[in-house]
Amino acid sequence: DVKVTQSSRYLVKRTGEKVFLECVQDMDHENMFWYRQDPGLGLRLIYFSYDVKMKEKGDIPEGYSVSREKKERFSLILESASTNQTSMYLCASSLSTGTPDYNEQFFGPGTRLTVL
Amino acid sequence: GNSVTQMEGPVTLSEEAFLTINCTYTATGYPSLFWYVQYPGEGLQLLLKATKADDKGSNKGFEATYRKETTSFHLEKGSVQVSDSAVYFCALKRYSTLTFGKGTMLLVSP
Repeated sequence: DVKVTQSSRYLVKRTGEKVFLECVQDMDHENMFWYRQDPGLGLRLIYFSYDVKMKEKGDIPEGYSVSREKKERFSLILESASTNQTSMYLCASSLSTGTPDYNEQFFGPGTRLTVL
Repeated sequence: GNSVTQMEGPVTLSEEAFLTINCTYTATGYPSLFWYVQYPGEGLQLLLKATKADDKGSNKGFEATYRKETTSFHLEKGSVQVSDSAVYFCALKRYSTLTFGKGTMLLVSP
């Protein structure tokens, strides 16, 4: 079974803190993704990476950065957390070989971040 | 750009009722289409998928048919169970990225 794990299920931080959210996958997937999920807005793509040290902006990258130093690990960084970044954060991974449109994304359980 | 529109919830049904959750999309080219399900407190799981027009995806009694002429991918189940209570997301995929709808909550009562 593909496993995508996230470092924390729940996290509480203060405004202005630097926050790291970690994601690890164990299936040698090339692609990794970070989404945030908000009620009434669905899932929105923040950043994705198709290879080590490569990153691409998604739909809402402002206020976030990412790091991919190893193939299995993809980190989301909030340089200076703000209250409007309170949300559920979901990590996902997928293969890049085969038919790109077909490859399933596998999701982690999510990290619920609260910024006070 | 790509977009997915799905019916707003919550959808409230009694056990054994028929379920339809509508999903329509806008996309360039020929996307693949997906339904994901999120049970309370969990991440998303792939429920079913279809990669070309007229394909039918099915899993766990759920079905959806890729209709290119109406740009739709409606989710159906003939008889829902309490355990089907969850949030359902329709999504389309072009190349590596998914575009999601806003999600539809389904509540099934005994």
